Amino acid sequence: GPKVLQIPSHQIIDMGQMVTLNCDPVSNHLYFYWYKQILGQQMEFLVNFYNGKVMEKSKLFKDQFSVERPDGSYFTLKIQPTALEDSAVYFCASSLEYEQYFGPGTRLTVL
Amino acid sequence: GEQVEQRPPHLSVREGDSAFIICTYTDSATAYFYWYKQEPGAGLQLLMSVFSNVDRKEEQGLTVLLNKKDKRLSLNLTAAHPGDSAVYFCAVSIASSSFSKLVFGQGTSLSVVP
Repeated sequence: GPKVLQIPSHQIIDMGQMVTLNCDPVSNHLYFYWYKQILGQQMEFLVNFYNGKVMEKSKLFKDQFSVERPDGSYFTLKIQPTALEDSAVYFCASSLEYEQYFGPGTRLTVL
Repeated sequence: GEQVEQRPPHLSVREGDSAFIICTYTDSATAYFYWYKQEPGAGLQLLMSVFSNVDRKEEQGLTVLLNKKDKRLSLNLTAAHPGDSAVYFCAVSIASSSFSKLVFGQGTSLSVVP
């Protein structure tokens, strides 16, 4: 099936630093998403993005979070500054219409 | 908002047996239903999508049943084999628009024993 790539697979960072998670979505997809999964818990929606804009965000999408996709390159999630509770696996997804295809996730550890 | 409950959290079956996973949801406006498979270190692989106008869908040894009256979605893997061992997630969306968020179940860790 369609492949979504995520870089890096793992990231360890000190609390307070900035981190950027990168997603390479399926090439013809129009809608992009980030989800967060804390170990042992449900995957939860963070934000979706279309035509250069955030369409919907959850309460987990704190003010320290931002997303962008400059000029059709990577779809990125930036956290600045990071906090301990940001430690989780972050999954990127993309869709052409309703079916969302997921990347393998980036495991973020904030120390 | 929408809540999805999935059970069982863990399931062990013998090779050749069936594995049955169930999800219940709360919002009657839910329109789109999905099953995903997650293998260690990999992303979520979309197994099947079902729209609300479908009660039953079968593909490649998988059967999805949708009971809208009871707000229940199930996945049945027939003749499971060790390669089916993974974590399975149901997900639903109200899909008022193409970019509607998915709400996930908690996942079922399936182990298929030879």
